[in-house]
Amino acid sequence: QKEVEQDPGPLSVPEGAIVSLNCTYSNSAFQYFMWYRQYSRKGPELLMYTYSSGNKEDGRFTAQVDKSSKYISLFIRDSQPSDSATYLCAMSTDSWGKFQFGAGTQVVVTP
Amino acid sequence: NAGVTQTPKFQVLKTGQSMTLQCAQDMNHNSMYWYRQDPGMGLRLIYYSASEGTTDKGEVPNGYNVSRLNKREFSLRLESAAPSQTSVYFCASSIYRDSEAFFGQGTRLTVV
Repeated sequence: QKEVEQDPGPLSVPEGAIVSLNCTYSNSAFQYFMWYRQYSRKGPELLMYTYSSGNKEDGRFTAQVDKSSKYISLFIRDSQPSDSATYLCAMSTDSWGKFQFGAGTQVVVTP
Repeated sequence: NAGVTQTPKFQVLKTGQSMTLQCAQDMNHNSMYWYRQDPGMGLRLIYYSASEGTTDKGEVPNGYNVSRLNKREFSLRLESAAPSQTSVYFCASSIYRDSEAFFGQGTRLTVV
């Protein structure tokens, strides 16, 4: 079983809708949680970075971490066609800097 | 500001050939990483370098070697390429070992 599980999708939503993405994990030692966006044939780019539990908001993006349930989420409000991409979750412990990635969820926002 | 630069962008190798993937960052980051990305597998860590002068194995190190040439550069070498090493390779860097990583644009490698 993988340490980080992420539904591969594709997740198709109409423009303007809220996109809801999530990852579950098994290693309770993870402390740092990240969301990356990856456009086709490009490198991942960092969207959100959170430490431990709680919520973090940045513009249209909100990241949530629930360590008790080993569950993290990313919400994208007012989605745009330019949000169409693969979204990767990643996490690491505080003792070594090896990021463990989910397989990624493909999101398609239709006009 | 170039960020993380990888060369080459594309490469085709024959089984048994060797090659080195180059990576350089201009953000004065301490830590650097090599990942491979395969369909349905996500990104898997091959090797990382927490700081200049140190390297450590990641999740899938077999068949690869690395060199942290200086603070800016971290290379990945395939000594004898195998078809199983066909993948997209990403180099990344971060300020410290447990801070967010910034990625290069990737190298698409095909081994035939």
